Amino acid sequence: GAGVSQTPSNKVTEKGKYVELRCDPISGHTALYWYRQSLGQGPEFLIYFQGTGAADDSGLPNDRFFAVRPEGSVSTLKIQRTERGDSAVYLCASSLDNRGEAFFGQGTRLTVV
Amino acid sequence: DQQVKQNSPSLSVQEGRISILNCDYTNSMFDYFLWYKKYPAEGPTFLISISSIKDKNEDGRFTVFLNKSAKHLSLHIVPSQPGDSAVYFCAASANNFNKFYFGSGTKLNVKP
Repeated sequence: GAGVSQTPSNKVTEKGKYVELRCDPISGHTALYWYRQSLGQGPEFLIYFQGTGAADDSGLPNDRFFAVRPEGSVSTLKIQRTERGDSAVYLCASSLDNRGEAFFGQGTRLTVV
Repeated sequence: DQQVKQNSPSLSVQEGRISILNCDYTNSMFDYFLWYKKYPAEGPTFLISISSIKDKNEDGRFTVFLNKSAKHLSLHIVPSQPGDSAVYFCAASANNFNKFYFGSGTKLNVKP
């Protein structure tokens, strides 16, 4: 389908390792969001892109987290020196502009062991 | 400090009856609100939204009510159907749509 696609769907990594999570937004959507959802909680904002630039990265928890969107389409969330507390479902969403509803992918479940 | 709260983690309703899901917020700058529905192993899907200039928005069986003075919104589903069983999240944003603050969700179970 033409929805938001996230890969991988599941990722298990060892503490201290580096991981990359990929998001393919809906074609033509200029706004892209990353959220993180821990068990029993709602999605928590991480970063927002408008086109290629990170318009708001105030939700990134620390400098181990970084995200890019070099061509204004696909985005990669990068986590360095992973910690067990990083375990969560990472959700990507896109919208046609930044006004209103966003369409979410199915998420990447990250488990740090 | 959570700015959007859904104080009922779960709700059980009989098929055909009304489901009422509640959401409270603390930030008076919030001016746009959405409800999302989430099935297991799927991402949230948009359901309905409301701007702060309105106090009600309706879409088929779904109606959202906004009470700005009480900083409270609710989602009404009438009549409830078993397929409505899911986790419902409310979300809010302030002045822009760069980020949304989500509640912790309410799991709705509609019994046949």
